[in-house]
Amino acid sequence: EAGVTQFPSHSVIEKGQTVTLRCDPISGHDNLYWYRRVMGKEIKFLLHFVKESKQDESGMPNNRFLAERTGGTYSTLKVQPAELEDSGVYFCASSPIVVNTEAFFGQGTRLTVV
Amino acid sequence: AQSVAQPEDQVNVAEGNPLTVKCTYSVSGNPYLFWYVQYPNRGLQFLLKYITGDNLVKGSYGFEAEFNKSQTSFHLKKPSALVSDSALYFCAVSPRDKGGYNKLIFGAGTRLAVHP
Repeated sequence: EAGVTQFPSHSVIEKGQTVTLRCDPISGHDNLYWYRRVMGKEIKFLLHFVKESKQDESGMPNNRFLAERTGGTYSTLKVQPAELEDSGVYFCASSPIVVNTEAFFGQGTRLTVV
Repeated sequence: AQSVAQPEDQVNVAEGNPLTVKCTYSVSGNPYLFWYVQYPNRGLQFLLKYITGDNLVKGSYGFEAEFNKSQTSFHLKKPSALVSDSALYFCAVSPRDKGGYNKLIFGAGTRLAVHP
């Protein structure tokens, strides 16, 4: 069974540009989460999808961030325009809608805004 | 505010010795508790979780964790460390809700270095 896959693994962009991160969850997992780790700090929750619906987007930093999950399968996270403070590692995780099940994480996308 | 504290940025231990990586939390109610590990250039891998029941939870790679409700702690332990255990360890908690798991609240991570 394939795990959670994230693309790209690394991205370096200039301030003001747009970047789109993609996450392919484990097949059949209705829960999909985005998290971000800024250098050396804790991993912070960004948002949670249940299928194609946003269940909780309380962690999204501002309106420069837009997440979608069309069709309830893969998800994209777009940052437009990117700022220096957006640099960090963006993790995606998925889990089935089953009580007591842990989330499975992707390898992360390292975003560097210069 | 809900938070997770991992007081040590780095833990150094000699191979074969026991190891402990500390975690305390400040979350209302009785949250679910987790440990994840990140090896270099890899994603987060699930190690173990506490849901209910026995306070000592056993997980992958010989790791275990002890839940202490009065101290709101969930320390990760291993009786005999291996060099291959060297990695970044994250403690995380999830507030319980009627739907099961919700978002995870992570600590800042502790780097474990096991020396030969």
